[in-house]
This record gives sequence, structure tokens and C-alpha cells, in this order.
Amino acid sequence: DAGVIQSPRHEVTEMGQEVTLRCKPISGHNSLFWYRQTMMRGLELLIYFNNNVPIDDSGMPEDRFSAKMPNASFSTLKIQPSEPRDSAVYFCASSPLRSGSATGELFFGEGSRLTVL
Amino acid sequence: AQSVTQLGSHVSVSEGALVLLRCNYSSSVPPYLFWYVQYPNQGLQLLLKYTSAATLVKGINGFEAEFKKSETSFHLTKPSAHMSDAAEYFCAVSPTNTGNQFYFGTGTSLTVIP
Repeated sequence: DAGVIQSPRHEVTEMGQEVTLRCKPISGHNSLFWYRQTMMRGLELLIYFNNNVPIDDSGMPEDRFSAKMPNASFSTLKIQPSEPRDSAVYFCASSPLRSGSATGELFFGEGSRLTVL
Repeated sequence: AQSVTQLGSHVSVSEGALVLLRCNYSSSVPPYLFWYVQYPNQGLQLLLKYTSAATLVKGINGFEAEFKKSETSFHLTKPSAHMSDAAEYFCAVSPTNTGNQFYFGTGTSLTVIP
């Protein structure tokens, strides 16, 4: 079974450039989450979707960040324009929607390490 | 509101010694509880989960955790540490009654001393 697939694994860009991170969730999972991890702030939830609909985007830092989920098998996180303080590891995770006895635990991708110079 | 507290951002143990990583949660209703492990340059991987069945939960790699409602705790233990256990460990809670929200602790970095 393929896990959550993220691309690119590493991205180095210059301040002001647009960055697009991609995620393919596990097939059949209805929820998708974007997290950011830094040494200073730990693991932060940016946004999550249920059935392709954004449910909570209160963690998105500012208008420079946007996330889309056009279909059940693909999501993007875009930063435009990027800034050095956006340097972090960005994780995508997916989960089945909870129902009955299903706990809906999170399955994480390997992350996208972003460096903004 | 939900919250998770992991006491001790860094824990060091000798190889072969007991591992104890602490997690306390704040919730009016017992939530689902999870422990995740993160090895360097990797994503988070589920170690074990509590889903209102048995209070003592066994996970992978010899880890286990006990849910104690009276103490609102879900501490992670392993009887004998191995060098390969060195990693970052995260406790997470998810309310049972509100969709798919997850709340993570700040993590505990485990060092195993040979």
C-alpha cells in the first residue's frame, strides 16, 4: 500500500519566489492535513480538509499561504511570495474520516524540506 | 479546548534502562490518544493508539502506554531502551466527538546512551 506521497522532498529557493508543495494522500482517506515543523515552533497545523473541503485554516500564517484540494487524490500548499522565515519541513498527512469504531489516525508523508534564502 | 502536555523536552536513558515519556491531556471527555515517533529526516509514524478499549495499549518496537483517566495521562514506556529508540516522540489527542481534529504535544527527544 502506498503511503502519503509528498513532492518535492527538498526545495531551495530565493526570497520572493513562489513555492508549490504537493501531496497525494492514501487512497480512500477522506481527510488531509498540512503541518509545518520548525525547531522553534514545533509541529503546527496549517489547514485540514474533509472530503476536499477546507475545514480549519486558522493555522495558515498569512495570505501568502494558500492550500487547495481539487480532488480526493491531490492537494497543494502554495507560498507566494516566499520569505526566509517560511523555511521549515512541511508535512502532509491523511486520515480516514472517523466513523463507528474507526479511529482515523494520521498517516504522515516524508515531508518537504523548504529552504528560502 | 483540547491540549496536550509532554513533560520533558529531552530525556536521556542508558541502553537497557526503562524508558518513560510523559503525556498529559486536557479534555472534558476522554479523547482518542496516540503516540507517534519521528526518526531524523522522516515523517511521523504511529507507535500506538488508545481508542477506549483496553487501557494498556501495546505498540510497535516494544513500547506500551497506559491510559489513566483519573490522572488524564497517557505515558509511554519501554522496559529496556535500545540505541535504535533514539528519536523524537509526540503525544497527540483527538476528540471523539468532533470530526478529525488532532492536537499534538511539543515532542520529547529521546537520547539513548551506550
